[in-house]
This record gives sequence, structure tokens and C-alpha cells, in this order.
Amino acid sequence: KNEVEQSPQNLTAQEGEFITINCSYSVGISALHWLQQHPGGGIVSLFMLSSGKKKHGRLIATINIQEKHSSLHITASHPRDSAVYICAVYNNNDMRFGAGTRLTVKP
Amino acid sequence: DAGVIQSPRHEVTEMGQEVTLRCKPISGHNSLFWYRQTMMRGLELLIYFNNNVPIDDSGMPEDRFSAKMPNASFSTLKIQPSEPRDSAVYFCASSLSRVTGELFFGEGSRLTVL
Repeated sequence: KNEVEQSPQNLTAQEGEFITINCSYSVGISALHWLQQHPGGGIVSLFMLSSGKKKHGRLIATINIQEKHSSLHITASHPRDSAVYICAVYNNNDMRFGAGTRLTVKP
Repeated sequence: DAGVIQSPRHEVTEMGQEVTLRCKPISGHNSLFWYRQTMMRGLELLIYFNNNVPIDDSGMPEDRFSAKMPNASFSTLKIQPSEPRDSAVYFCASSLSRVTGELFFGEGSRLTVL
């Protein structure tokens, strides 16, 4: 079993829909990152969380430390949100990555 | 700031050759990370430095891989000798803080070993 599990693996949505991507992990962590990888391959950090909730524009990330679970929400999704979203957890000196969720938003 | 700068962007080499990948972190960032991404294994942390000192290299696949950070503005990842299974995209990232800092990624170096 992977230490970091993301769901779904693939997600197709219509423009304007509300999107939720989930990340569950099995190890104790000091921080969790949500990353976005564009079709061209570049990686951008969206959020770093250690507790609670963060919001940036149409993106919202939450984390529940007790349940070892984080969610990334996208409101009013747009085709430019199409990308792979990767959850990464940081524990002591190690970082583990989820396999990623491939999101396609259709106009 | 220009962001994290990696070179080369693409490298094609033959098995057995030495490969050197380079990274210039964002000025003022004290943590630097090297990652590898493949279709089979996804993203993996290879090694990271804090204040130019290697903290954890347990992710380095084997002795053929080595990384250095001679100063705060430059790091190298070297593979010698290279093998076809080393083909991957290698990312460098830097942050202000090892644990709680936002990660800033370079554009990656795509390595193909024939």
C-alpha cells in the first residue's frame, strides 16, 4: 500500500463544475503540499498545509491531521485548470508523493 | 528573481557516459531539493540540502548518483556511469524553509540515456 493515496486518478469535468481531489496518507507528517503539474511538465506549488484550511483564488485546500486526509477543491473550474495535481507529504527528512490526479476540464 | 534555473533542459547521452545536471536556486532560499520523475515511479525525492549541507540522501538510488552544493547559489547532480533506467525528468526545487516553506521548482532536466 502506498503511503500517499490520491483519488480519483483521473477526473473529467465540465467548465464551471466544483472539483474535489482527495489525498490520504498513512504516516505522521509535518507538512503537506499540493502541487500542480501543467501539460508542459512544469510544477507549481499551490499550497503548503500543516493544519486547517487555505484559500487562494478559486482554490481551497484543507487538511485533517487526525484523519490523515487532505482535500483540494477547485470552484468554478476552467479549462486552464487542466493539469495533474500531486499531493506530497513531508515527514522528518523524507518526502513522499501521491501518484497524481489528472484533471481535464472541458469547455 | 528569475526563479530556480536548471540546465540542461534536455540531455541525450549514451549508456556509460557521465551526466551532470545543474541547478541555481532562488537567492535567499536555504533549502534545495533534487527530485526525479518517471512514468513508473512518479515523483521521488533524491536528496536535499539545508544551508548547503546534504541532510538526507537516502533517496539517491545508488552509488552512481552524487550531488553537491559547493555554495548557496549552485548545486549539481551527477550520474556516473549513466544507465538507460536513469532516463527521467530531474527537478530541482528550493524553499526558504526545509519543512514549512513553499517549494519553487525549476523547469526540469529531461535525461534520456540510450
